[in-house]
Amino acid sequence: QKEVEQDPGPLSVPEGAIVSLNCTYSNSAFQYFMWYRQYSRKGPELLMYTYSSGNKEDGRFTAQVDKSSKYISLFIRDSQPSDSATYLCAMSAWDAGGTSYGKLTFGQGTILTVHP
Amino acid sequence: EAQVTQNPRYLITVTGKKLTVTCSQNMNHEYMSWYRQDPGLGLRQIYYSMNVEVTDKGDVPEGYKVSRKEKRNFPLILESPSPNQTSLYFCASLLLAGGGEQFFGPGTRLTVL
Repeated sequence: QKEVEQDPGPLSVPEGAIVSLNCTYSNSAFQYFMWYRQYSRKGPELLMYTYSSGNKEDGRFTAQVDKSSKYISLFIRDSQPSDSATYLCAMSAWDAGGTSYGKLTFGQGTILTVHP
Repeated sequence: EAQVTQNPRYLITVTGKKLTVTCSQNMNHEYMSWYRQDPGLGLRQIYYSMNVEVTDKGDVPEGYKVSRKEKRNFPLILESPSPNQTSLYFCASLLLAGGGEQFFGPGTRLTVL
């Protein structure tokens, strides 16, 4: 079983739709949860991060973490064609002093297409 | 501008011909890492380095070598490339005390014939 499983998609939605992207994980040591966005022929770029259970909002994007269920989600409201990209969840563990171990474990990625 | 650079961006080579993909970062990050990205498999870590002269294997290190002689550079070496190393490669760097955001380079698309 992979440490991080991501709904593979692909997803195709109309402009304005609400999009839900999801990942589950098995390693309880993961404490830092990220969503990366990757446009075609580009490197991944960090979209959002959180390290606590609950919701975190940034504009049209909401990251949700449920540590008890080992489940994270990214919601995109009022989706736009410019949101079309591959979305990758990623997780890492920290030491007791709050320093990252460095290694990121990624989900497989979900390709999202928002059509006008 | 803070960035991670990789060269070359595209490379087509033949089986067995040694090659090096360079990676450089200008953010004074301690941690650097190489990933390969393949369809359906996501990003998988090849090697990483916690600091100068400190390197370790990631999840898929077979067929690759790295070195970290300077903090800013982390080259990936394929001594004898094979077709199963055809992939998209990303270098990334991280400030260890910075919370976890890794900055990625633009990628190198490698084809081994």
